[in-house]
Amino acid sequence: SQTIHQWPATLVQPVGSPLSLECTVEGTSNPNLYWYRQAAGRGLQLLFYSVGIGQISSEVPQNLSASRPQDRQFILSSKKLLLSDSGFYLCAWSVNRGEPQHFGDGTRLSIL
Amino acid sequence: SQQGEEDPQALSIQEGENATMNCSYKTSINNLQWYRQNSGRGLVHLILIRSNEREKHSGRLRVTLDTSKKSSSLLITASRAADTASYFCATDAYNQGGKLIFGQGTELSVKP
Repeated sequence: SQTIHQWPATLVQPVGSPLSLECTVEGTSNPNLYWYRQAAGRGLQLLFYSVGIGQISSEVPQNLSASRPQDRQFILSSKKLLLSDSGFYLCAWSVNRGEPQHFGDGTRLSIL
Repeated sequence: SQQGEEDPQALSIQEGENATMNCSYKTSINNLQWYRQNSGRGLVHLILIRSNEREKHSGRLRVTLDTSKKSSSLLITASRAADTASYFCATDAYNQGGKLIFGQGTELSVKP
């Protein structure tokens, strides 16, 4: 069966520090991969999605970037975090676009 | 602009009662999906209904879709305390290239 792992679960970082969040999927090949951010009590904002290795589409101009160095690995990064980067970050995968997405348990990021 | 809007934003009921949540959207869709999110966790896919379907059932869940009104409803029958969670609709719209657009969610509280 397919599983998705996302870590760390919580992270507290100072303003201006770098960020690296990792997501890996097991049990499937060539998944579509997604990074979302969720503000408290709000819906999900799509940040990046990827349909294959090295193929990244950015949805919102921002302080973040994403990379897909391997088929089942998706990384969210920042060189310098801003206070506004705080939030709950979720990684997800799907077989094809438009089909059900399967989510990791998220990373709670707090910027001090 | 927001594609999916849930109504109500919050709903509190007693165990055993039925819970109905509504979702409205703006543009033509390929499918509409409902997800559940327990506090501090990732989203879990519940059910997908395609644009040519009017009703789907899964256990205690019943989803309807009215494409003429651009709306959907999720009914949870005989609710349990364990159904307490946030529920989101997400649309796969014709013009979104397979990306899902999530609504803001309905927070359901089921009191024992």
